[in-house]
Amino acid sequence: AQRVTQPEKLLSVFKGAPVELKCNYSYSGSPELFWYVQYSRQRLQLLLRHISRESIKGFTADLNKGETSFHLKKPFAQEEDSAMYYCALAPQGAQKLVFGQGTRLTINP
Amino acid sequence: NAGVTQTPKFRILKIGQSMTLQCTQDMNHNYMYWYRQDPGMGLKLIYYSVGAGITDKGEVPNGYNVSRSTTEDFPLRLELAAPSQTSVYFCASRNSRGLYGYTFGSGTRLTVV
Repeated sequence: AQRVTQPEKLLSVFKGAPVELKCNYSYSGSPELFWYVQYSRQRLQLLLRHISRESIKGFTADLNKGETSFHLKKPFAQEEDSAMYYCALAPQGAQKLVFGQGTRLTINP
Repeated sequence: NAGVTQTPKFRILKIGQSMTLQCTQDMNHNYMYWYRQDPGMGLKLIYYSVGAGITDKGEVPNGYNVSRSTTEDFPLRLELAAPSQTSVYFCASRNSRGLYGYTFGSGTRLTVV
């Protein structure tokens, strides 16, 4: 069965510090992985996806198939990064995403 | 272009009452989804639809029903509300081309007392 695990429900860092949100997945095939973000009182929106290898709002995420991980990183956190972050997996041929439990990131001034 | 519209935004129900959460999208998306979001539990899929007239159960369908009579609308029905259904409900849609293209609604916060 496919599963996405975000081990940290809450993560708090200071402004300007590096931040890493962990995501591990369980899937035997070649996955497509995504990060979604939900800012306070807003709807979920796509942040980035691994196949595009892009950097959005200073965030990057690298797929590590050996460790089955897709951690989200940013070298210098900003207060506006405070939000709920969800890692999601798209199994091959599936019609729906599998979401992790989410990590609430708080950036302290 | 409104995207995905959910109504109502907030609702308080008494145990045993029924209600319908509305979801409408104007992007001509074939795929539509209902998720519930519980604190610390992430997003759980309730039901989804791959096109008008076709629906399927997700992870947590018990206590809910859906219908998809048109491409635009995907209402979620609670027949006998229970406290365990207190949650935030999100509707989402996407086109046929890629799973990453989920567009979410703004959510409905439901409290059952």
